[in-house]
Amino acid sequence: AQTVTQSQPEMSVQEAETVTLSCTYDTSENNYYLFWYKQPPSRQMILVIRQEAYKQQNATENRFSVNFQKAAKSFSLKISDSQLGDTAMYFCAFKGTNAGKSTFGDGTTLTVKP
Amino acid sequence: DAGVIQSPRHEVTEMGQEVTLRCKPISGHDYLFWYRQTMMRGLELLIYFNNNVPIDDSGMPEDRFSAKMPNASFSTLKIQPSEPRDSAVYFCASSRGRPVALHFGNGTRLTVT
Repeated sequence: AQTVTQSQPEMSVQEAETVTLSCTYDTSENNYYLFWYKQPPSRQMILVIRQEAYKQQNATENRFSVNFQKAAKSFSLKISDSQLGDTAMYFCAFKGTNAGKSTFGDGTTLTVKP
Repeated sequence: DAGVIQSPRHEVTEMGQEVTLRCKPISGHDYLFWYRQTMMRGLELLIYFNNNVPIDDSGMPEDRFSAKMPNASFSTLKIQPSEPRDSAVYFCASSRGRPVALHFGNGTRLTVT
C-alpha cells in the first residue's frame, strides 16, 4: 500500500518570501501521479499542482513549483513570493496509474505573516 | 461549470438520528469519492464509485454508513444511527478518468450531539 508523509505539521513564512513544504511517499509502482492540494479556511480543497512520475521536468504553476526526486521518492512544493492568500493547509497526494483512489498525507498548515 | 455541489453545508443532529449527505458531481465525471476529514484521522477515503458502481468501500467505518449513486449526477452518504464520533467534515469529490486530479465540493460539516 502506498503511504504519503508530510513531516511538517505547521510552517510559517513572511509575506513575499519563499517557503518549501516537504512530502515523501512510498510505492513500488513506476508510473504514478503526485498532487498538491490547498485547503484554505473556507474549507474547499483546490488543486495547486500536479506531476506525472514519467516526466523528469518539474511542474510549475505561476508562483508554485515542485522539486520531484523520483529515486528519493520526494515531492516538495515551493511557494515563491508568498501572499497572505496562500495561508492554508496543504496536502500532498499520490495516485497510482491504475488506481481509482488517491492517498493523502496528513497536511501542513502554512501561515503567511504580513 | 458549477463544480461539485454538496448539501447541506452544515448539519447538526442528535445522536441516534439519521443523517443524509448529498452530492452532485461535475457533469461528465465518471468517478465519485466520499472523504471524511477529522483532526485526529486526517482525510480518509470512505468509498468511491466508477460509473455509478461502488468500487471500494473498505473505508466505510461500519454498517451504520451507506452510500448510493443512483445515477451519474447524484450520490448520497447516509449515517444511521448517527453517533457523536461521526462528527467531521464530509467531502465529495469527482474526477474524469483515473490519473487526474480530484475536484472537491465545499464539504458538509456534520455535528452529532
